[in-house]
Amino acid sequence: DQQVKQNSPSLSVQEGRISILNCDYTNSMFDYFLWYKKYPAEGPTFLISISSIKDKNEDGRFTVFLNKSAKHLSLHIVPSQPGDSAVYFCAASQAGGTSYGKLTFGQGTILTVHP
Amino acid sequence: ETGVTQSPTHLIKTRGQQVTLRCSSQSGHNTVSWYQQALGQGPQFIFQYYREEENGRGNFPPRFSGLQFPNYSSELNVNALELDDSALYLCASSFDLSISSPLHFGNGTRLTVT
Repeated sequence: DQQVKQNSPSLSVQEGRISILNCDYTNSMFDYFLWYKKYPAEGPTFLISISSIKDKNEDGRFTVFLNKSAKHLSLHIVPSQPGDSAVYFCAASQAGGTSYGKLTFGQGTILTVHP
Repeated sequence: ETGVTQSPTHLIKTRGQQVTLRCSSQSGHNTVSWYQQALGQGPQFIFQYYREEENGRGNFPPRFSGLQFPNYSSELNVNALELDDSALYLCASSFDLSISSPLHFGNGTRLTVT
């Protein structure tokens, strides 16, 4: 039962253009969402998060959009840089009480940014 | 500020054996979570420890067990290893159970079961 899905295993983008990574979820109890980036031989690194009370959160080149009715979120990277090439994981949790930290991850999307 | 460190980095074990993986949490963090990442998949939640007590468990059998010590470091123990236990095991620490404290992951332990 895949509660968080990233349906695109890979994405290739030219340097300077926008990268859009997508994520869908099925569990309506999820109310906090995160994106992590992972380089080979390293652990995932936190990028950006969004609470379900918002529909957009921005941090520099990274913006996350949340569409609760569609149970869909996306990560926009503008402009994309070769150093952004990594695996991107979408993750979700229930923010309340003791649930935080118990993240449900998607399968990941490999982003390649070409110079 | 010291990050999350895991040991060993790689390990090869035989089916049926037992293994212990170790994790030192980031300075100031009191919560440790363990995840299993199979090849080509996202990390899957195993369990979480908060102030030395287990605080939730994912869909893993009892042969996966853990400990958290007074200094908030942690161990993951796996008994009766199976071939499917081959994976990257990730430890993550955070401060309390707070949204404002994202998980900080270590680089993982790559376990191979033959």
